[in-house]
Amino acid sequence: AQSVTQLGSHVSVSEGALVLLRCNYSSSVPPYLFWYVQYPNQGLQLLLKYTSAATLVKGINGFEAEFKKSETSFHLTKPSAHMSDAAEYFCARGGGGNKLTFGTGTQLKVEL
Amino acid sequence: DTAVSQTPKYLVTQMGNDKSIKCEQNLGHDTMYWYKQDSKKFLKIMFSYNNKELIINETVPNRFSPKSPDKAHLNLHINSLELGDSAVYFCASSHGDPGNTIYFGEGSWLTVV
Repeated sequence: AQSVTQLGSHVSVSEGALVLLRCNYSSSVPPYLFWYVQYPNQGLQLLLKYTSAATLVKGINGFEAEFKKSETSFHLTKPSAHMSDAAEYFCARGGGGNKLTFGTGTQLKVEL
Repeated sequence: DTAVSQTPKYLVTQMGNDKSIKCEQNLGHDTMYWYKQDSKKFLKIMFSYNNKELIINETVPNRFSPKSPDKAHLNLHINSLELGDSAVYFCASSHGDPGNTIYFGEGSWLTVV
């Protein structure tokens, strides 16, 4: 089955440090890939998505992700973490019927 | 001006009861979804409707019955609630083609006691 794997269920960074959240996908063809963010007690908000155009995708709130076919990865990065970035982050792939298959999520903690 | 709105946001009910969660979208999308998020925050699709027709049913118990009266609404009715049904249920919508952004509602927190 096609899946998405997020390495690290919890990531902790200092404010101002680089954020790197990892996502790998399994697929024989380039998929549609998404990163969503979920703040406490809220719904999911799209950060960015890859749809086979540019491999470096820029999203909201200073986040970006690079699609690397050779590594089957779509890692999410942000150069400088802010306290407001603390949230749960989900990588997902789109499939038939525009169904999203989600990774298990990564809880990002930002410390002073 | 909520794009995808669902009600109620919080619901506490006893085992065996029947409950419904309503969802409406004002984005003009043709596809709507229900996703379930469990206590470990794992998200999984339950149903998908395109133009009021069921297109995805992910082996959900038949106690769960979605109903789409029109393209803008997708309600979820749950019969004979069980403890294991406690979760957050998210409604979502999009244009149906793969790769289109899926917009999520704020979630409905269901607790079965």
